[in-house]
Amino acid sequence: AQKVTQAQTEISVVEKEDVTLDCVYETRDTTYYLFWYKQPPSGELVFLIRRNSFDEQNEISGRYSWNFQKSTSSFNFTITASQVVDSAVYFCALSEAGGATNKLIFGTGTLLAVQP
Amino acid sequence: GAVVSQHPSRVICKSGTSVKIECRSLDFQATTMFWYRQFPKQSLMLMATSNEGSKATYEQGVEKDKFLINHASLTLSTLTVTSAHPEDSSFYICSASVSGGADTQYFGPGTRLTVL
Repeated sequence: AQKVTQAQTEISVVEKEDVTLDCVYETRDTTYYLFWYKQPPSGELVFLIRRNSFDEQNEISGRYSWNFQKSTSSFNFTITASQVVDSAVYFCALSEAGGATNKLIFGTGTLLAVQP
Repeated sequence: GAVVSQHPSRVICKSGTSVKIECRSLDFQATTMFWYRQFPKQSLMLMATSNEGSKATYEQGVEKDKFLINHASLTLSTLTVTSAHPEDSSFYICSASVSGGADTQYFGPGTRLTVL
């Protein structure tokens, strides 16, 4: 069965601190996709990254970076020098390739609060 | 690019009435659209998947006669909550992707439904 676990329910940091959001997934497929979405208080989910299972290279985009480790089935997300605007719920999600539709399996989300 | 809109953003209705929510992909054609429901401080729960011109596929436990989905064009899907009751009050979010498979889903801003 497919499953995404975000063990951190809530994280609170002070502005400029670095913070890592954990994501652990389970799947039997060898081909799959992992995603991170941000949901600010307004409610809209903002797409951050999509990574396929064959690409284990870490990715950096500005203050954001992602660490994909197949050996531990983890896809962690780090925000460097956090800002108040980073406060949101962050969801990690898994999609299995090969099916007719790309159903997303979401984790329970991590609420990040960045204090000024 | 990849903008998805939803209308209305907020609706309050009386018990027993039907409510229609529209989801539009503004700058791309969406072969597949998804409807999710999100309760406060919880993750997204997939309700149904719709492909343009086909009947929607509902997730287990979701009443298809209660939540009518129409995906009449490549840019528009509608969700009608029929004979709404207070327990239907929730945040409904749609997403759209260009094709099936493992395409990225882009989410709309959500619709807050309150049934009195």
